[in-house]
Order: sequence, then C-alpha cells, then structure tokens
Amino acid sequence: DTEVTQTPKHLVMGMTNKKSLKCEQHMGHRAMYWYKQKAKKPPELMFVYSYEKLSINESVPSRFSPECPNSSLLNLHLHALQPEDSALYLCASSQDSRPSYEQYFGPGTRLTVT
Amino acid sequence: GESVGLHLPTLSVQEGDNSIINCAYSNSASDYFIWYKQESGKGPQFIIDIRSNMDKRQGQRVTVLLNKTVKHLSLQIAATQPGDSAVYFCAETHNFGNEKLTFGTGTRLTIIP
Repeated sequence: DTEVTQTPKHLVMGMTNKKSLKCEQHMGHRAMYWYKQKAKKPPELMFVYSYEKLSINESVPSRFSPECPNSSLLNLHLHALQPEDSALYLCASSQDSRPSYEQYFGPGTRLTVT
Repeated sequence: GESVGLHLPTLSVQEGDNSIINCAYSNSASDYFIWYKQESGKGPQFIIDIRSNMDKRQGQRVTVLLNKTVKHLSLQIAATQPGDSAVYFCAETHNFGNEKLTFGTGTRLTIIP
C-alpha cells in the first residue's frame, strides 16, 4: 500500500469555524508533512513531523495547529482562518525526513474559507 | 535571494514527440534535485531525482540533466503520451540531509493528440 489518504476532499468553512484536516498512511513512514498549495502555484512547506515530533514549522500562523497522534496519522487543526487561507492542503509522508527519501503525496483537501 | 524557477510556464507537444522542461536554480549549495508531476486533482508524484555529483540520470522514458555551472536542470520526456499532460515541478534542497524541499514555479505540459 503506497497510498496517503486525506479527508475531507473538500471543505468549506467560515472564519469563525473550527475544523480539522486528516491524513493517514500505512507505509510505516516516520516523516509526515503538510504543504499548502495555492492555485497555479507550487506547494509550500508548512510543517514537518519526524518520528512524531514537530521538526519544522515554516513560520505558519498559529491559526494552523498540526498534530501527530501516532506514526500513521497527521492532523491539521484550523481555527479563525482568513479567506486568503483558501488553498489545496497536501499531506505527504516519507520513510525518513531526509530528502533522499521519496515523499508520497495525498490528493489534498481543497479548503475554501468564506 | 534563493529561488527555483522555470523558464516556460506552459508547453505544448505533439503526442509521440519528445519534450524538454527546464528549471533554473540560484543556490549554488543546492545538492539534491527532484522532478514531480502533478495531474489535475492529484498530489505531486515523484518522477526522478538527481544528486549534485551527477550530471545525468535516466529513468523509464525520462532523463534528468544537471548543469551545475549554469545552475540549470532539465527533464526530458521521450515519446510523449496523453498521460504525460500535467504540471511538472522541479524541487531542490541544499545541505544534503536538510528536510526542506523548495519547489519551483511549475510548467504545464499539454500533449496534443
């Protein structure tokens, strides 16, 4: 199984809502990532978890809160988002956090903030 | 500042022809490069990678060329097929072992039947 799954596929939320994005992999990977991708732009790294510990936070606003409950799951908790946060949120995983290990991407959650 | 950019935002190629997608980078410390393919509605998919101690690497129908002198990377796709239509991103990292990948702008490749 070389699949990274993400739920939900689409999410519409108001600026006062609290929601969570979920990501799951069963490849035994020990590194997991959140990326943000705006339309017609490349993915931008947000967070990296390595062995269930947050290792990189790319100065992401605190309204985005990542969580790694175990080695297979990665969540992104959303609160008080802004319309400019509307984007495709991609999760990825790799065997190890070193770049030489291929990152497998999920299909993404398309988020719209109204 | 550091950047990873592509020369052409769009490219149309006749089916069966070869295509070349280019990428420029500015950080001379970059030492590992990856090409990704992103189809509509999907996440990026790894195609091929190359380390800075190499200048060419071949895969199935794909070849990556690295010119460190001019900080240029290219992806050649041979005998293009309709399924090759996608956005292609180069990505780089420096200081081998750094966890962060930086993606380039992207090129949309359209294969004309």
